[in-house]
Amino acid sequence: DGGITQSPKYLFRKEGQNVTLSCEQNLNHDAMYWYRQDPGQGLRLIYYSQIVNDFQKGDIAEGYSVSREKKESFPLTVTSAQKNPTAFYLCASSIGRQGYWNGYTFGSGTRLTVV
Amino acid sequence: EDKVVQSPLSLVVHEGDTVTLNCSYEVTNFRSLLWYKQEKKAPTFLFMLTSSGIEKKSGRLSSILDKKELSSILNITATQTGDSAIYLCAGSYNTDKLIFGTGTRLQVFP
Repeated sequence: DGGITQSPKYLFRKEGQNVTLSCEQNLNHDAMYWYRQDPGQGLRLIYYSQIVNDFQKGDIAEGYSVSREKKESFPLTVTSAQKNPTAFYLCASSIGRQGYWNGYTFGSGTRLTVV
Repeated sequence: EDKVVQSPLSLVVHEGDTVTLNCSYEVTNFRSLLWYKQEKKAPTFLFMLTSSGIEKKSGRLSSILDKKELSSILNITATQTGDSAIYLCAGSYNTDKLIFGTGTRLQVFP
């Protein structure tokens, strides 16, 4: 079955540490997205990529970095520059082509906690 | 600034009640409005609305878009405890990005 896999489900980060969240999809989708979800604030866009080797900043990109070396993979690194990283992170993908777009498919999320 | 606003933020009902969730949007080059249900982890797709005044239905859930009023409602009739979730509304514009509202948390008690 096709879908999006995020790992790990839970992640603990120490102060000053960089951590990387994995997102892999086998849906042959062109576009991939990272969102952050905080209580009472809905989903906020961190980064998105519409094609391989290209990505754009979303609304809250500071303290985060991404890469898109393969169509299937869009890892997110939370750097030490992100001062409040504790949140639920959701990866999503979409077919990305005009006229065929029907929304996102989401992964199951990674809950990141700073300890 | 593009934004999507949902109301109420939280709703508590008893099984069998009917609920209406509201979503209003200000999205430049608006294309479509989407509703998702988030129970524990991954939001799951409910509806995508692009035409004004046309109701979409799936079982006890239905939704309609009003482009004149820049709004949408999601109705759930005869609620069940399994309907307890966060319901997310999102607007899309021409770059295929979604702008999400804060969500409505629905709790259905027996």
